[in-house]
Amino acid sequence: DAGVTQSPTHLIKTRGQQVTLRCSPKSGHDTVSWYQQALGQGPQFIFQYYEEEERQRGNFPDRFSGHQFPNYSSELNVNALLLGDSALYLCASSLSLADYGYTFGSGTRLTVV
Amino acid sequence: AQSVTQLDSQVPVFEEAPVELRCNYSSSVSVYLFWYVQYPNQGLQLLLKYLSGSTLVKGINGFEAEFNKSQTSFHLRKPSVHISDTAEYFCAVTTNTNAGKSTFGDGTTLTVKP
Repeated sequence: DAGVTQSPTHLIKTRGQQVTLRCSPKSGHDTVSWYQQALGQGPQFIFQYYEEEERQRGNFPDRFSGHQFPNYSSELNVNALLLGDSALYLCASSLSLADYGYTFGSGTRLTVV
Repeated sequence: AQSVTQLDSQVPVFEEAPVELRCNYSSSVSVYLFWYVQYPNQGLQLLLKYLSGSTLVKGINGFEAEFNKSQTSFHLRKPSVHISDTAEYFCAVTTNTNAGKSTFGDGTTLTVKP
């Protein structure tokens, strides 16, 4: 049984560019959350998707946006990249909005130069 | 709003010794608490969680944690560590109205030496 799958694993972008990260949740999970983990820090919540809608959002600017598809997979988009956006982006899925059994993917390492 | 403080950024310990990783939290409402482990270049793996019931929670790999409401703590313990336990450990908190929105501490690096 595949867990949470994220792609790509690594990415290098230039300041000002746009990036799209992808996440396929664990089989049977319908809720997806995205986190940003800067080097040496704990993950910070970006937003959560359920039934193709953004349900909760953390303190991130509008440059960060997302989408959830009917098959529950999700995308994270970041526009106008800044050097400070360099981080590990983690996707976590769960059975439902009320489920606390999150499964995390291995993340996408984004480097902005 | 809730917050988490992991009191030790680094904990070195010898193999087969006991270890405690400390976590304090702050919240104005009832909380749910979690410990995750992160190995290099990997995502987070759930070690254990406290949602309700017994304050002593047992998790995977021989870890356990105790929820102490009066001291707002959720310390992680293992009676005898192995080299393979070397990793980053994160404490996290959420509430029943924010199931997907966990607040994480900055992590504790556990280094097990032979």
